[in-house]
Amino acid sequence: QVQLQQWGAGLLKPSETLSLTCAVYGGSFSGFYWTWIRQSPGKGLEWIGEINHSGSSNYNPSLEGRVTMSVDTSKNQFSLNLTSMTAADTGVYSCTRGYLGGGNFQLWGQGTLVAVSS
Amino acid sequence: DIVMTQSPLSLPVTPGETASISCRSSQSLLYSNGYNYLDWYLQKPGQSPQLLIYLGSHRASGVPDRFSGSGSGTDFTLKISGVEAEDVGVYYCMQALETPLTFGGGTKVDIK
Repeated sequence: QVQLQQWGAGLLKPSETLSLTCAVYGGSFSGFYWTWIRQSPGKGLEWIGEINHSGSSNYNPSLEGRVTMSVDTSKNQFSLNLTSMTAADTGVYSCTRGYLGGGNFQLWGQGTLVAVSS
Repeated sequence: DIVMTQSPLSLPVTPGETASISCRSSQSLLYSNGYNYLDWYLQKPGQSPQLLIYLGSHRASGVPDRFSGSGSGTDFTLKISGVEAEDVGVYYCMQALETPLTFGGGTKVDIK
């Protein structure tokens, strides 16, 4: 059974960089778009961006310039870096698996609660 | 960005009743291949969202057949025929036609 497991620091200070990693266990890494989504009380569900196994990525323009995604195909992992964190970035960050053509997020990581506070 | 608007905001239901949730998009989600790029998700308390419907009307694996999706273009409906207590939570629609993918604001379903 395919599973996603994510990890990373959950408490950050303003201006620090968020780094999260998601590992894919028990399934193929290629042929999908590996996606990060966050959820905050103020903004609801927000698509952060996606990356495929070859490193081709798309980011939400609202976060452009701050977000970088990467893949490590040798470990079946993908990562999210979000710079210059502020309190507005506080929320639950989740990794998920999508399809070319968009959406169809059937598989999700467990979510990481990220708080930004001085 | 494509704006997704859901209604109602809150939906109290009696077990066994049929519940309907509406979702409208600011532009058509119908692609040239004939598919509508619209998903429905249910988020139960303390859990990640779970996929119910993709491509407007295709039920995801393991989803009970009391859930159905319909609509095309800019107007979509999720119907729950015979609501059960386990169906409580927040329902979201999401457009998958173009990036950035965008979500509706959610509809909270609870039992009367």
